[in-house]
Parts: sequence; C-alpha cells; structure tokens
Amino acid sequence: DAKTTQPTSMDCAEGRAANLPCNHSTISGNEYVYWYRQIHSQGPQYIIHGLKNNETNEMASLIITEDRKSSTLILPHATLRDTAVYYCIVRVYNNNDMRFGAGTRLTVKP
Amino acid sequence: NAGVTQTPKFRILKIGQSMTLQCTQDMNHNYMYWYRQDPGMGLKLIYYSVGAGITDKGEVPNGYNVSRSTTEDFPLRLELAAPSQTSVYFCASRVRDLGTEAFFGQGTRLTVV
Repeated sequence: DAKTTQPTSMDCAEGRAANLPCNHSTISGNEYVYWYRQIHSQGPQYIIHGLKNNETNEMASLIITEDRKSSTLILPHATLRDTAVYYCIVRVYNNNDMRFGAGTRLTVKP
Repeated sequence: NAGVTQTPKFRILKIGQSMTLQCTQDMNHNYMYWYRQDPGMGLKLIYYSVGAGITDKGEVPNGYNVSRSTTEDFPLRLELAAPSQTSVYFCASRVRDLGTEAFFGQGTRLTVV
C-alpha cells in the first residue's frame, strides 16, 4: 500500500470548515483513499472513502486531486465533538490487511 | 446488532502470565483484525483474518497468537506477558474489501506489571 503523509496536528474554529490534507504521492491506480477518526480513546470510526471522484456523505466530503497524489477531508461545520485524530489510509482493493499511520490530531476550538 | 464486542475492557497482568482477549462480531463479517495502540501513538496491526480457519501476520505479531475457528470469534492470545505489551487493543471487522467500512470494538486496556 502507498504511504501517506499527514500533518501532526491542526486547529479549527467551531462552526468553520475543517480541511485535513493527506499526501499519497505514490498511490497506484487500484488504491482507494479511506478516512477514519478516533475520538479520545474510543475505537476508530469510518468516515468516507474514494477512488478517483470526489465523495460526500452525511459526515464529510472527500476531495481527491486529479493526479490522485493528495486528498483533503472536509468537515463542513466543525463542532467540538469533531475533536479527534483523523487517519488517512490508502489501500489496494484486494489487499486484505489494513494499516494506520500516525494521523492528524484535529482540535476544534470554541 | 451489538457490532464488535471486546472483553474484558480492562485487565492487569503480571509479567509471565498469559491471557486471551476476546473479540466477537454479530455482523457475519469475513474480515477481522487485531490492533494495538500505545499511548499517543497510532494503531499497529497485529494479526488479521479473512475467514474462518485463515489468519495472517500484520506489522507486530511477535508475542501474540490468534485463531479463527468461527466467523464470529477472533481471540487474541498473549503468552508470557511482558511490560512492552502494555497497550490498548482494538478488534475490528468488515464484510468484504471494496467499499466497506471497518467496525471497531471499544478496546481492551491491558497493563502488564
């Protein structure tokens, strides 16, 4: 699986959009981008995933650049409860294991 | 559905003791995973399984063993516990690979003293 690079930490004001970047410059054509988050010490929670096209669900939007070398997770209206560690993972479709990096610690401030 | 259930939630072991961390899912998922998370760090994959009777090593398998005799259960065995195994352990499952999310349990906090 391709390696991902994320900033160690970010801050965001409550009510504003949180934009979390992820670099995956070695991604190949059959690798998907997945995002999970971990709130405090709970088990990680799935957010969204995509291959080429931008994706949106009730939690977030995923913007993937045309060359697929980077992506951005957008939380449109961050709340204090969005404070968490966010993990960007790149996985091959038929690769069975699932490995996490260090993630980005997002702090939403009042 | 209960989802992914891990037991126990907390445990203190003495050095050299053994124990089994239990993980059960009621979603009929084929894929199951075990991770450990040390304080302030990300998750490290210990073992995973793609179905009953099939297991494979992840990034940090040393000191652990797993078995998968049923679809529902994926226990993690620690033999001869060491302080380096002090960590929070998470179990996860998913139904298939493409386009599916993984569901995580709430973790087992293990301290080896």
